[in-house]
Amino acid sequence: GESVGLHLPTLSVQEGDNSIINCAYSNSASDYFIWYKQESGKGPQFIIDIRSNMDKRQGQRVTVLLNKTVKHLSLQIAATQPGDSAVYFCAEDGGSNYKLTFGKGTLLTVNP
Amino acid sequence: GAVVSQHPSWVICKSGTSVKIECRSLDFQATTMFWYRQFPKQSLMLMATSNEGSKATYEQGVEKDKFLINHASLTLSTLTVTSAHPEDSSFYICSASGIVNEQYFGPGTRLTVT
Repeated sequence: GESVGLHLPTLSVQEGDNSIINCAYSNSASDYFIWYKQESGKGPQFIIDIRSNMDKRQGQRVTVLLNKTVKHLSLQIAATQPGDSAVYFCAEDGGSNYKLTFGKGTLLTVNP
Repeated sequence: GAVVSQHPSWVICKSGTSVKIECRSLDFQATTMFWYRQFPKQSLMLMATSNEGSKATYEQGVEKDKFLINHASLTLSTLTVTSAHPEDSSFYICSASGIVNEQYFGPGTRLTVT
């Protein structure tokens, strides 16, 4: 079946470094992608999104890159801070009824 | 804006009993609400989609008679886990979507069945 997956289940970085979290998707019909941050015991928090007619979108300290050719999505966090430690999920919207399919998640640990 | 709340935030119930979880959109009207389940160290799995005033649409493998969903108003949806068993212990998360179709997530409800 269609799925969204992640290459790296865990990522450990030093404070101040840049972080890159990757995601592969398989549904070529997906036209909307979102990155979420989830802290322990809490619901997902929206970080940034991108539509399929774009290949890059920037926010505050975060950038999302979309490569439709290889069906790959990445989240870049600049100057990673301890408060960025969390699990990060990518999610895709197949476009039919606004349902989201979530990837497996990457645990980001920022070392001070 | 776009705040979604859940109640309770955590609940412990005995096996065989039922428990109701509420999801409210506090500052917008949610035409669609989604219910997810998340087991430890796993991703969110969509259980069902509910539209105000109509029956919920359940994902494959989710028992509709066990997980009763009611979306009676544009600001409230409820999930009732009937005859709960220990394997139903999980983190239940709702999201709400309004006109823009972007999903806003609640803080989650931790259910423990003993």
